[in-house]
Amino acid sequence: EDQVTQSPEALRLQEGESSSLNCSYTVSGLRGLFWYRQDPGKGPEFLFTLYSAGEEKEKERLKATLTKKESFLHITAPKPEDSATYLCAVQLAYGNNRLAFGKGNQVVVIP
Amino acid sequence: ETGVTQSPTHLIKTRGQQVTLRCSSQSGHNTVSWYQQALGQGPQFIFQYYREEENGRGNFPPRFSGLQFPNYSSELNVNALELDDSALYLCASSRGPTNEKLFFGSGTQLSVL
Repeated sequence: EDQVTQSPEALRLQEGESSSLNCSYTVSGLRGLFWYRQDPGKGPEFLFTLYSAGEEKEKERLKATLTKKESFLHITAPKPEDSATYLCAVQLAYGNNRLAFGKGNQVVVIP
Repeated sequence: ETGVTQSPTHLIKTRGQQVTLRCSSQSGHNTVSWYQQALGQGPQFIFQYYREEENGRGNFPPRFSGLQFPNYSSELNVNALELDDSALYLCASSRGPTNEKLFFGSGTQLSVL
């Protein structure tokens, strides 16, 4: 069974304290791995897509990496506005673009 | 370019009732997918609509049904509401059924009492 697991479930960081979020997956036929940011009461906002092991992508204080079994989202010197839930999702090599999401990493950055 | 819009934003229903949620896709997008997100969980795929036909379905019972219209907008209908149907319902549009980039709306928060 295809599975996506994110850890830790919740994380409190001091402003400027760098950390990493983990997404491990067991799927057959991975087409892509996605990271989204979700604010309370809002829909997920696209951050990154990674397609193959060794790939890395960056956006401001965020950097996503991918291996054959897991992905990391590194948050460097976070600011309070980085507080959100970060969702990892895998897209499978099926006939549509359905995403299988993990439960998310809830991040709170304290000033 | 308008984004994905959903209506209503909030809805309260009682058990056994029926509900219809609406979604307008982003300009240039012909495919709509619906997701259910329970509190503290990640979104779960309900189904996808492309060319006014269902194109893939997740593990949801038949009382969850949908429609897509010629202008690519979509409806999600849920019959015989249950308490566990309380969730945020998200609509996502894309340029095609296999296009990897999905754009999500802000969702409809449904509460079933």
